[in-house]
Amino acid sequence: EPEVTQTPSHQVTQMGQEVILRCVPISNHLYFYWYRQILGQKVEFLVSFYNNEISEKSEIFDDQFSVERPDGSNFTLKIRSTKLEDSAMYFCASSRFASNTEAFFGQGTRLTVV
Amino acid sequence: AQSVTQPDIHITVSEGASLELRCNYSYGATPYLFWYVQSPGQGLQLLLKYFSGDTLVQGIKGFEAEFKRSQSSFNLRKPSVHWSDAAEYFCAGGSSGNTPLVFGKGTRLSVIA
Repeated sequence: EPEVTQTPSHQVTQMGQEVILRCVPISNHLYFYWYRQILGQKVEFLVSFYNNEISEKSEIFDDQFSVERPDGSNFTLKIRSTKLEDSAMYFCASSRFASNTEAFFGQGTRLTVV
Repeated sequence: AQSVTQPDIHITVSEGASLELRCNYSYGATPYLFWYVQSPGQGLQLLLKYFSGDTLVQGIKGFEAEFKRSQSSFNLRKPSVHWSDAAEYFCAGGSSGNTPLVFGKGTRLSVIA
C-alpha cells in the first residue's frame, strides 16, 4: 500500500539553527501539506502546496518557514532559524485531489529545539 | 469560523465494551468530516470519512460514525473495543475547495482489561 514517508523521525536542533524536514508523498498525488502538532495541542495546518506553489498558508507559516519540491518526489519544509516554540511533531500529507478527499499522512517528524 | 470540537480529552473503557467518541463541528455548510487515529509513534491513519449521502459511515477496524446534522455531531463508535484500539483519535473537518483540514484536539483512548 502506498504511503507518505517522512525523514528523519526525530530531530534535535539548537535554537537558531536551520532545519529541513523531508517528505516523500505518494507518487500520483498532486496536493501536499504540512501540519504540526505541539505536544498536548491540536494538529494545526501550516501550508498547502499545489502545482509547484503555495496555495494556502496559515498565520503560523511566517517568513521563517519555506517549502519546496526540489524534484519529482520530495517535498521539504525548512525552518530557517528555529525557536524553542517550533518544537512539535510535523506531519506531511498528500492527496490525489483537493484536500477534502482522502489525505494520507506520514508518520511525522518530532522536532525538538533546545 | 470553522471549528471541530472533541469534548473528551481522555476516555477509558474496558476491553470488549462499546465505545463512543464525540465530535462536534461548526461549519456554515455541510462539512466533509473525518476520523483519524494515531497510535504511539505512528502517523495519522484515516479511519473513515463522510462527504454526503448515507449518514452512517463504516470505516476500518470495525469503526463507524454517524453524521447528525441536527446535533452538528459526527461521533465515532465501535461495538466492542480491543486493547489494540488504545490510541489518540482525531476528528477533522473540511469544506469544498482546496481548504485545509481543521482538527479537534483529540481524544486519548485507554483500554483496560
